[in-house]
Amino acid sequence: GAGVSQTPSNKVTEKGKYVELRCDPISGHTALYWYRQSLGQGPEFLIYFQGTGAADDSGLPNDRFFAVRPEGSVSTLKIQRTERGDSAVYLCASSPQLSGANVLTFGAGSRLTVL
Amino acid sequence: AQTVTQSQPEMSVQEAETVTLSCTYDTSESDYYLFWYKQPPSRQMILVIRQEAYKQQNATENRFSVNFQKAAKSFSLKISDSQLGDAAMYFCAYRSGGSNYKLTFGKGTLLTVNP
Repeated sequence: GAGVSQTPSNKVTEKGKYVELRCDPISGHTALYWYRQSLGQGPEFLIYFQGTGAADDSGLPNDRFFAVRPEGSVSTLKIQRTERGDSAVYLCASSPQLSGANVLTFGAGSRLTVL
Repeated sequence: AQTVTQSQPEMSVQEAETVTLSCTYDTSESDYYLFWYKQPPSRQMILVIRQEAYKQQNATENRFSVNFQKAAKSFSLKISDSQLGDAAMYFCAYRSGGSNYKLTFGKGTLLTVNP
């Protein structure tokens, strides 16, 4: 697609529920990144993929968070047993490849609210 | 670990005037990249300008320029001839030049442009 697409745009759920957030990167971009932006903060790194594999998942806060990218294109961020502290905007970005000089193109994010 | 500090939570500027946003960072690396991103209310992060640490010349993109002081670890953004559309959150970000592709963001500066 022309840009990075994230769905849903907004998601409200109850504490303890399971949530999936989807990211559709720019066509042909092999690198994909997830960031979390809490209210009043800058984005914080969660995970990035090169192709189908997670190259670095050191930012995932705990084992309730998991991300996949089975075909090297669309990625899904999965959150189990959601907590109120998980409320944030989840940003996805993609780039042509993993390279220091590469510029990331971000999506508009998915705002998650856990009641 | 690298840290990025934006000491100005909010700034305001009159339309057509010039404003400078501050950013400092802490790193022990010599090879890295610095970025300024703009985040309007639509939430999508948009790259404003990029600087490679090995380049002594300050980056410029139309009305946007940076003052990169490597020894002082300072990376300020100057916006000339401010326009109403420049109003947004601005984030300074750091990325290592090695094989670590994480972006580390500051907390952001909210820029208001007054007509």
